[in-house]
Amino acid sequence: QQQVKQSPQSLIVQKGGISIINCAYENTAFDYFPWYQQFPGKGPALLIAIRPDVSEKKEGRFTISFNKSAKQFSLHIMDSQPGDSATYFCAASVYNQGGKLIFGQGTELSVKP
Amino acid sequence: DTEVTQTPKHLVMGMTNKKSLKCEQHMGHRAMYWYKQKAKKPPELMFVYSYEKLSINESVPSRFSPECPNSSLLNLHLHALQPEDSALYLCASSQLGRISGNTIYFGEGSWLTVV
Repeated sequence: QQQVKQSPQSLIVQKGGISIINCAYENTAFDYFPWYQQFPGKGPALLIAIRPDVSEKKEGRFTISFNKSAKQFSLHIMDSQPGDSATYFCAASVYNQGGKLIFGQGTELSVKP
Repeated sequence: DTEVTQTPKHLVMGMTNKKSLKCEQHMGHRAMYWYKQKAKKPPELMFVYSYEKLSINESVPSRFSPECPNSSLLNLHLHALQPEDSALYLCASSQLGRISGNTIYFGEGSWLTVV
């Protein structure tokens, strides 16, 4: 019940295309859903996050779509660029569990020029 | 640039050595974390400190010993490690409180190699 399932494991997109990464969860107590971007040799950087009372959040080229009834959320990267090539992790947490983040397994995104 | 600073960036230690990883944040956060990350895997939570007190220990072996000297500093003391402990060790911090308490910021990590 504590798992977050992320797909695909790897993704290759042409420059200018749309990258879509999906996550699903079971625990309805989760109340915060962040996405992290991690470049090789670096720590994860918070990209964008959403709470379950909102169905969509957009920041620049990055959009989270959230479907509470389906217990799914996804990251869309519009106009994907080679500089977006990184590993992306979705995550979920419950406020009263001390900030413990449950991560998905990660998606390795490669944007080809 | 991350506001969570970790030192050293790289550490090579023998199995009988004692070493420490250090972390510092100046965002006024009252929760600090240690995570361990293996190649191509997500970070795994090790310890959580809330208000300088250890609040979560994810059944981590005693060869890892955390310490929180004050609200800005977090250390991870390492002793008698095994080669399989080689990994990226990530420090993180967050506020406490319902609105912003879930947002966790990571440092760049310390690459540890145990030989």
